[in-house]
Amino acid sequence: DTEVTQTPKHLVMGMTNKKSLKCEQHMGHRAMYWYKQKAKKPPELMFVYSYEKLSINESVPSRFSPECPNSSLLNLHLHALQPEDSALYLCASSPGGQNNEQYFGPGTRLTVT
Amino acid sequence: AQKITQTQPGMFVQEKEAVTLDCTYDTSDPSYGLFWYKQPSSGEMIFLIYQGSYDQQNATEGRYSLNFQKARKSANLVISASQLGDSAMYFCAMRPRTGANSKLTFGKGITLSVRP
Repeated sequence: DTEVTQTPKHLVMGMTNKKSLKCEQHMGHRAMYWYKQKAKKPPELMFVYSYEKLSINESVPSRFSPECPNSSLLNLHLHALQPEDSALYLCASSPGGQNNEQYFGPGTRLTVT
Repeated sequence: AQKITQTQPGMFVQEKEAVTLDCTYDTSDPSYGLFWYKQPSSGEMIFLIYQGSYDQQNATEGRYSLNFQKARKSANLVISASQLGDSAMYFCAMRPRTGANSKLTFGKGITLSVRP
């Protein structure tokens, strides 16, 4: 089973709202990732968690706050977003740390109004 | 630093024919992995195939094969017997195989359209 699940599939939020994106995998993978992807562009790495610890933050604005409650779960908390933050947010995981292929979830399409 | 280059404009192929999607890369790392992902309009990034820089043979996965030419720094994806469901955006990516914080670097992608 190479499945990464993400909820919700779609999210519309105002600039003053607080919302969270959820990502889950039950493959025993120890690295999990958040990416942001604009239309027709490649994914841009935001955060990496390795063995439940934040290992990479790609200078992401503090209005995005990641959380890894356990090895299967990754959240992205959103607060005071801007319209330019509208994008597809992809979660991924990889086995045995970071030196393996990444498996992606279906993404959350976020619209900030 | 790593760089992936995908320069083909939108590609078109007739159903049941083979198609090659080009990818060249640049890196100073001695050991690295190369990946291809497919992204349909639904948005999910689907892992297709992996090639390690020290692998002696070209990777194959069903209808997908990777034409790896290390000296030319190219890792082209070959899709045989194209199907309508192959219509999607395809990304080539690479990462060094050493370093706890090695990142996956993506090319800009190629759009493939399969014609019936």
